Amino acid sequence: DAGITQSPRHKVTETGTPVTLRCHQTENHRYMYWYRQDPGHGLRLIHYSYGVKDTDKGEVSDGYSVSRSKTEDFLLTLESATSSQTSVYFCAIREGTSSTDTQYFGPGTRLTVL
Amino acid sequence: GQNIDQPTEMTATEGAIVQINCTYQTSGFNGLFWYQQHAGEAPTFLSYNVLDGLEEKGRFSSFLSRSKGYSYLLLKELQMKDSASYLCAVGQNFVFGPGTRLSVLP
Repeated sequence: DAGITQSPRHKVTETGTPVTLRCHQTENHRYMYWYRQDPGHGLRLIHYSYGVKDTDKGEVSDGYSVSRSKTEDFLLTLESATSSQTSVYFCAIREGTSSTDTQYFGPGTRLTVL
Repeated sequence: GQNIDQPTEMTATEGAIVQINCTYQTSGFNGLFWYQQHAGEAPTFLSYNVLDGLEEKGRFSSFLSRSKGYSYLLLKELQMKDSASYLCAVGQNFVFGPGTRLSVLP
């Protein structure tokens, strides 16, 4: 499972509140990713990181921010949650050499915004 | 940009062979990945193609044609446990297609 954990695994919150999701890895991988998955849309990239303090936006980054202050943790923050951010959030790491690398996913966080 | 397409749903019978297609348009290419995702679970890696041709891994094989922007995943000797969604992804930042939900019937 590439040593990836996510917390919390389930969260219910109210519109307008801040929410932070945590992804933790134990194997010193450089690249980490946050995706959301919704019916009919598949997995969509929110933000990714290519090192400590190095992050970039994905295709659905509006309303989300990230931070990576140490290699093992990648945090996703919803500054003011909206109902459209109700989703399942997956963290992933990238493993391997540049020619054979692939992604491994954490177990996911189910977020409900009321 | 990148555009990836897969059929939404497929149905097959236990013991049969099924082919799941993926077509893509991408500005850069560093390989095509296939993942399996059971309902309520995280995706798990199945296969990777970077060169044209067929890669075989037990009951699962994956084919790639870079000139046609086309790949398929071939599942043989289908089992009930193969009922899942199958996702293809391309690009350095792993852009995913919408996924194909496969139902295997007895």
